Amino acid sequence: EVVLTQSPATLSLSPGATATLSCRTSEIISTSYLAWYQQRPGLAPRLLIYDSFTRATGVPDRFSASGSASGSGTDFSLTITRLQPEDSAVYYCQAYGTSPRRFGPGTRVEIK
Amino acid sequence: EVQLVESGGGLVQPGGSLRLSCVASGFGFDAYAMHWVRQVPGKGPEWVSGIDFRSYNIGYADSVRGRFTVSRDNAERSLFLQMNSLRPDDTAVYYCAKSATYFDSFDLWGQGTVVSVSS
Repeated sequence: EVVLTQSPATLSLSPGATATLSCRTSEIISTSYLAWYQQRPGLAPRLLIYDSFTRATGVPDRFSASGSASGSGTDFSLTITRLQPEDSAVYYCQAYGTSPRRFGPGTRVEIK
Repeated sequence: EVQLVESGGGLVQPGGSLRLSCVASGFGFDAYAMHWVRQVPGKGPEWVSGIDFRSYNIGYADSVRGRFTVSRDNAERSLFLQMNSLRPDDTAVYYCAKSATYFDSFDLWGQGTVVSVSS
């Protein structure tokens, strides 16, 4: 079963800055099966990115993601530009496409 | 409004049972796969179980297999999770979530229902 690790555990940045979050999988997965979620305090997770690169409906283009150009890999990233106070949240990556669907431990983004 | 609303959580003693429900509105429930995902505060989410739109494909996490049973009633636009032999480590917020197909990402989540297993 794939294991996901995320780094850093916490990011503390100023409004307007750029956040880069990393997700690494323990085995090679298809880029078609990697998602990113945002969870604000007290709320359910919200889908941001699916298929490694595709923004979900309503997600602003300040959010972008990348993975292997070859179609599979172990290293994925989420970039948030022009940080705003409402971006304060925990961000999780998820591997899907097989069972069990696995989530990473999350990266907390604080806007100071 | 497109939404999922869970209910049925509560406090139960170890070894006890609970049945969670999730009612969908605002989309064609019978066309989508559904899942249960749980989360301990401060931890990442954990997929618990999934069921495809016709109940042909059903899956469970190893941690709940044999104790939990997922089902759905498309006519009632409802998803269920029967939880038996509950243990303290089942304590979590339980969310229902929707996916386009059985193995897709989760594009809609409910607000969650809290399950506490304690004596």
